[in-house]
Amino acid sequence: DIVMTQSPDSLGVSLGERATINCKSSRSVLFRPNNKHYLAWYQQKPGQPPRLLIYWASARESGVPDRFSGSGSGTDFTLTISSLQAEDVAVYYCQQYHSSPFTFGPGTKVDIK
Amino acid sequence: QVQLHLSGPGLVKPSETLSLTCSVSGDSVTTFYWSWIRQPPGKRPEWIGHIYADGSTDSNPSLRRRLTLSLDTSKNQFSLRLASMTGADTAFYYCARDQKLSSWSQGTLVTVSS
Repeated sequence: DIVMTQSPDSLGVSLGERATINCKSSRSVLFRPNNKHYLAWYQQKPGQPPRLLIYWASARESGVPDRFSGSGSGTDFTLTISSLQAEDVAVYYCQQYHSSPFTFGPGTKVDIK
Repeated sequence: QVQLHLSGPGLVKPSETLSLTCSVSGDSVTTFYWSWIRQPPGKRPEWIGHIYADGSTDSNPSLRRRLTLSLDTSKNQFSLRLASMTGADTAFYYCARDQKLSSWSQGTLVTVSS
């Protein structure tokens, strides 16, 4: 199985400041035939299902604010919230969908400092 | 806009079989992959498996021996059956669209208890 790790475990950020979350996969999630990284980011608020934010490592899902961006390649990826808003308080998960079984990271809790 | 509605019991006895059905509106189950995910309270999500429009499936090896996934195109639904339930299977269960899980149902907390 591909093991996903995230850092930090939790993050306190002031409103309007940048939040950066890191995700690492134990093997590459690059599918060479289409040159896409099979890596997604989700946001989960209490009592709600996860919400897809980013797929193919850097493609923003429709309706997701442009303050959310994804980057990275190979085995190292980053989710950035450029200017934290109150409604961004949540747990963020990365997930690989390159190799079965698809696996999630342990999550990073983001709140307001 | 696609919507997924999950139905099934909230309580299952040990050794019994869990049956969940996901009804899809705004899209057809004859397109995309259709996925199942579970999440024990306070823990990360766990991918259970998915079924493709042609009925082919893939699933987590940790659950494969007990798992059955199926598709009903006439009702635009897909279903999960998980046999021999134990307390370790207590979790929120979700259904979702596609491999990148673009749309999710609301979760159903399934508790395994006698």
